[in-house]
Amino acid sequence: EAGVAQSPRYKIIEKRQSVAFWCNPISGHATLYWYQQILGQGPKLLIQFQNNGVVDDSQLPKDRFSAERLKGVDSTLKIQPAKLEDSAVYLCASSFISGGKGNEQFFGPGTRLTVL
Amino acid sequence: ELKVEQNPLFLSMQEGKNYTIYCNYSTTSDRLYWYRQDPGKSLESLFVLLSNGAVKQEGRLMASLDTKARLSTLHITAAVHDLSATYFCAVNSGSARQLTFGSGTQLTVLP
Repeated sequence: EAGVAQSPRYKIIEKRQSVAFWCNPISGHATLYWYQQILGQGPKLLIQFQNNGVVDDSQLPKDRFSAERLKGVDSTLKIQPAKLEDSAVYLCASSFISGGKGNEQFFGPGTRLTVL
Repeated sequence: ELKVEQNPLFLSMQEGKNYTIYCNYSTTSDRLYWYRQDPGKSLESLFVLLSNGAVKQEGRLMASLDTKARLSTLHITAAVHDLSATYFCAVNSGSARQLTFGSGTQLTVLP
């Protein structure tokens, strides 16, 4: 079974530029998550989708971050404009369902963003 | 707001020794996860603990959960170098079952 795919793996941009990340979850997984992991910290949830609807985006900085999952499968996360403090690894995860025994999340390899 | 605290944050241990990592959380939860992360890599699921008193073991790692004390432990037996990594605990909370992670324990096993 293929895992969670993410691209690009690495991205270096200058502050105030825009950047987009892509995620393709495990086939059949209805729930998709985007996390931000700053160096030396645990992942922090940015947004959670159930199919193509947003379940939780309370920690997403909506003035600069946006995410979509239009067809309920793959997803994109965008930052516009980027700030220095956005330097982090952006992890995508998916689970079969949200809640219950299908809640176990499987993580992709991440995208390491460096903002100069 | 759910808080998840791990200790220690950094752990250096000799090969062959035993040690325990602790994970405390602040509100009721019925599910706790342990993940491993190697440098530059993503998170690998180690254990899912579903109920009070749950104990799971895989090789030299054993995890347990005490929901009354809101405490989970990850015990390392006879450590080997291959166990060097960062270990995270994470707890489910909220109506949407979000995961809240601890800060991680960076484990280094020395020869």
